[in-house]
Amino acid sequence: DQQVKQNSPSLSVQEGRISILNCDYTNSMFDYFLWYKKYPAEGPTFLISISSIKDKNEDGRFTVFLNKSAKHLSLHIVPSQPGDSAVYFCAASYLNRDDKIIFGKGTRLHILP
Amino acid sequence: DGGITQSPKYLFRKEGQNVTLSCEQNLNHDAMYWYRQDPGQGLRLIYYSQIVNDFQKGDIAEGYSVSREKKESFPLTVTSAQKNPTAFYLCASSRGDNYGYTFGSGTRLTVV
Repeated sequence: DQQVKQNSPSLSVQEGRISILNCDYTNSMFDYFLWYKKYPAEGPTFLISISSIKDKNEDGRFTVFLNKSAKHLSLHIVPSQPGDSAVYFCAASYLNRDDKIIFGKGTRLHILP
Repeated sequence: DGGITQSPKYLFRKEGQNVTLSCEQNLNHDAMYWYRQDPGQGLRLIYYSQIVNDFQKGDIAEGYSVSREKKESFPLTVTSAQKNPTAFYLCASSRGDNYGYTFGSGTRLTVV
């Protein structure tokens, strides 16, 4: 049973527009959420994170929003650039516990020229 | 510079042979992980280790084995019992507090 779900396998967005990637989770005990970006044939790299005590975290063009009541988070990329074309993994964890980070299956983002 | 190194980048093996993928980190991380990525499957956890000389099975451990004799190293052996070994393998490490993982650059294994 998937605890972290990314329901859109792929997403295409025009260059310069906003990209919105969505993620849902089932366990309300998760207290830390992360987004990773992955290019083909490379390892994922950390992009941005958010603690459950916040509802928004911003880093340059990237903003993550957390809606705890809906168990939903989203990653906004504004403006979208060609280098943003990659697979994005949403992940959730329990901080400071002997447990693993749970990853979603990923969403492939295509930035169109 | 601290980091996590996987070698080799590409690996070819004949069916029926065991093969070992290397993963080394100099981040002084306690925990290490092996994932497998297949198209449309996301990241699937094979094995993980939270401390030296101890490791646990992940979601798809069958046909794989690991060892953790040193903090820096977590090699993965893909045995002949693994029915579909061709995949992209990713190693990761963390401090163990779940603030995030650092991933290696991956090894693409092709079994012919």
